[in-house]
Amino acid sequence: SQTIHQWPATLVQPVGSPLSLECTVEGTSNPNLYWYRQAAGRGLQLLFYSVGIGQISSEVPQNLSASRPQDRQFILSSKKLLLSDSGFYLCAWSGGRTDTQYFGPGTRLTVL
Amino acid sequence: AQSVTQLDSQVPVFEEAPVELRCNYSSSVSVYLFWYVQYPNQGLQLLLKYLSGSTLVKGINGFEAEFNKSQTSFHLRKPSVHISDTAEYFCAVNEYSTLTFGKGTMLLVSP
Repeated sequence: SQTIHQWPATLVQPVGSPLSLECTVEGTSNPNLYWYRQAAGRGLQLLFYSVGIGQISSEVPQNLSASRPQDRQFILSSKKLLLSDSGFYLCAWSGGRTDTQYFGPGTRLTVL
Repeated sequence: AQSVTQLDSQVPVFEEAPVELRCNYSSSVSVYLFWYVQYPNQGLQLLLKYLSGSTLVKGINGFEAEFNKSQTSFHLRKPSVHISDTAEYFCAVNEYSTLTFGKGTMLLVSP
């Protein structure tokens, strides 16, 4: 069966510091991968998605970037965090025609 | 472009009562429809999905949803809720391989 991991689970970072969040999927190959942000009262916002290694699509302009160095690894990064980057970050994967997405446990990021 | 409207931001209900969480969508083409549940500080868990076929879809934890194409709705129902059903519920539409989510409905079950 497939599983999706995210780490760290929680992170507190100062403004201006760098960020790296990691997501890995097990039990499937060539998945579509997604990064979402969930801010209080704002629902889920799709940040990036990837259909293959090195292929990244950005949905909104922002202070963040994503990379996919391996088939089942998806990384969310920032060079300098802003207060507005605080939120709950969710990684998801999908595969197959119906593109049902399955979510990881999330990372709670607080920027102070 | 697709959009999803969850008409209620919060639904309070007593334990063992029935509940309906409403979801309407707009899309110009055939879509896949989903309901997810999120418990505090956790990721989203798939409750059920409509892909094709029967318009009444059964999911986990006793939930079901009915796809109504003419009303572009996909309401979620449960005949008798438990305290443990307290969570946020998200409706989502998949049109072109990306999901569009509603803003969520917080279901609050009290004894």
